[in-house]
Amino acid sequence: AQSVSQHNHHVILSEAASLELGCNYSYGGTVNLFWYVQYPGQHLQLLLKYFSGDPLVKGIKGFEAEFIKSKFSFNLRKPSVQWSDTAEYFCAVNARTGRRALTFGSGTRLQVQP
Amino acid sequence: SAVISQKPSRDICQRGTSLTIQCQVDSQVTMMFWYRQQPGQSLTLIATANQGSEATYESGFVIDKFPISRPNLTFSTLTVSNMSPEDSSIYLCSVEARGLGIQYFGAGTRLSVL
Repeated sequence: AQSVSQHNHHVILSEAASLELGCNYSYGGTVNLFWYVQYPGQHLQLLLKYFSGDPLVKGIKGFEAEFIKSKFSFNLRKPSVQWSDTAEYFCAVNARTGRRALTFGSGTRLQVQP
Repeated sequence: SAVISQKPSRDICQRGTSLTIQCQVDSQVTMMFWYRQQPGQSLTLIATANQGSEATYESGFVIDKFPISRPNLTFSTLTVSNMSPEDSSIYLCSVEARGLGIQYFGAGTRLSVL
């Protein structure tokens, strides 16, 4: 069975600080990896995805993530956060073939202080 | 992308009653998913609903409690039956965009059971 672990449950940063959110997954096959963001009062939106190829993927709003296969990790980064990045961030995986439903991590609540 | 409309956006229900949530997509999709997000927690898959076949339920979710219909490629309903306060959650519809491998989410239905 798939599982996803997000190690940071609540992160508080000041504006312009750098961000890294950890995500590790467990799955025996090939996976697709995603980061979703949920801004206050809004629905889940895709931030970025990894299917194959370059393990460093860039998403919207200056976010990027690096897939490290040997570590089963897909950490999210942003060099300089803004107050508008305050949101909940979810890492998710699904199987490249077969099961298409997403398995989500527990989420990380990011609070950026002005 | 796919635009998903969910109705109702929120509801307050009495114990023992049932609520049917509708999910309408602006394009034809093969795979639709229903997730639950309990307060302060991550998303958990309830079932996968493919058009023309019975929904596939995850462990811990049963058809008698969460019957699902999928009459065509753009519409699905989830019913929460015989509700109890433990069913208070956000229920989300999701679809996988054809050929893209990306899942899009509706805004969710926030359900409170008294």
